[in-house]
Amino acid sequence: GESVGLHLPTLSVQEGDNSIINCAYSNSASDYFIWYKQESGKGPQFIIDIRSNMDKRQGQRVTVLLNKTVKHLSLQIAATQPGDSAVYFCAETPPQGAQKLVFGQGTRLTINP
Amino acid sequence: SAVISQKPSRDICQRGTSLTIQCQVDSQVTMMFWYRQQPGQSLTLIATANQGSEATYESGFVIDKFPISRPNLTFSTLTVSNMSPEDSSIYLCSVVGDRAYGYTFGSGTRLTVV
Repeated sequence: GESVGLHLPTLSVQEGDNSIINCAYSNSASDYFIWYKQESGKGPQFIIDIRSNMDKRQGQRVTVLLNKTVKHLSLQIAATQPGDSAVYFCAETPPQGAQKLVFGQGTRLTINP
Repeated sequence: SAVISQKPSRDICQRGTSLTIQCQVDSQVTMMFWYRQQPGQSLTLIATANQGSEATYESGFVIDKFPISRPNLTFSTLTVSNMSPEDSSIYLCSVVGDRAYGYTFGSGTRLTVV
């Protein structure tokens, strides 16, 4: 079945540095991808999304890159801050998926002061 | 985006009992989703709840264990029945938000079964 996975379960970066969180997806026909941030005790919070007809999208301090050739998704966070410490999930909507989301395993990002 | 209120936020329950989790949305939504997040893991979809029809369950989840109600376009409940310690998880509801394909999540219900 479809699955969305992540390369690294944990990532530590220095405050102020840039971070890159990676995600691999298995269904080349998936057409929509979302990155979520989940802080302890909270539900996932939408960060940024991208459609399959795009390869890059930028938000405030965040950029999502989509490489359909290798089925790879990444989230770049610029100038990391302590508040960026959280678990980050990628999610995809498989084709004919009735709008449901398939989540990756998650990466715990820790920002070191 | 839609605002979701989920109750209770946490509970500790005895095995063999049932717990009903409520999800209230501040706007009418067609589709509501229930997810389970086991400790230290990602989110797994339990079922999709549409108003006026039976919920659609994902592989591995059955209605007898996780009955769902969807009486109107702003409310849904998920019941975790005959609980065992393996049901200890965070349960989250989600809706498709006001942006195309945007999804919003509730803050979750942290369930511990003892």
